[in-house]
Amino acid sequence: DAGVIQSPRHEVTEMGQEVTLRCKPISGHNSLFWYRQTMMRGLELLIYFNNNVPIDDSGMPEDRFSAKMPNASFSTLKIQPSEPRDSAVYFCASRKGQGVSNQPQHFGDGTRLSIL
Amino acid sequence: AQSVTQLDSHVSVSEGTPVLLRCNYSSSYSPSLFWYVQHPNKGLQLLLKYTSAATLVKGINGFEAEFKKSETSFHLTKPSAHMSDAAEYFCVVSDQPGNTGKLIFGQGTTLQVKP
Repeated sequence: DAGVIQSPRHEVTEMGQEVTLRCKPISGHNSLFWYRQTMMRGLELLIYFNNNVPIDDSGMPEDRFSAKMPNASFSTLKIQPSEPRDSAVYFCASRKGQGVSNQPQHFGDGTRLSIL
Repeated sequence: AQSVTQLDSHVSVSEGTPVLLRCNYSSSYSPSLFWYVQHPNKGLQLLLKYTSAATLVKGINGFEAEFKKSETSFHLTKPSAHMSDAAEYFCVVSDQPGNTGKLIFGQGTTLQVKP
C-alpha cells in the first residue's frame, strides 16, 4: 500500500519567495496533519483537518502560513513570503477516523526546506 | 492536560545487548500511547501502540513496551539491539478521546548502537 506521499522532498529557495508543500494522504484516511520539525523545537503540530475541514490551526506560526485541503486526497501548506527561520523539515501525516485517539498517524518522509 | 516525558535524551548500547528507552506520561484519563521511530531523513514510523487492551504490547522489529498505570510509565524494550535500530525514538500520548485527536510527542531519545 502506498503511504503518505509528500513533495518535494527537498526545497531550497531564497527569502521572500513563495513555497508550496504538497501532501497526498493514505486513501481512506480522513484526518490529515501538518507538522514542522526543528532541532530547537522538536515536532510541532501546525494544523490538522478532519474530512477536509481545518479543525485546529492554532499551531500555524504566522499569517504567512496557510494550508488547504481541497479534497480527500490532497493538501498543501504554503508559506508566503518565506523567511530563513522557516527552514525545517515539514511532515504530513494521515489517520483513519476523526477524534478517535487510538488510531495511529502515518507519516510521510517529509520535505526538507531551506530558506536562504 | 496530557504530557509525556522521555527520561533520556541519548542512550548508547552495544550490538546484541538489551535496549531500554524510558517514558513517563501524565494523563487525566486512560490514554492511548504510541512509540514511533525516526531514521535519518525519514518520517516517523509506528513501532507499537497501547489502547487499553493488553498491558504488554508487542511491536515491529522485536520491540515491545509495557503499560504500567501505577508508575505512569510506558518504557520501550528490545532484548538484543541491532545496528539498524540506531535512530530517534518518540514516546507519544493521545489527546483526550473525542477531543482534537492530536498527539503529544516526547522530546525524543537518540539510540546509538555500537558494534
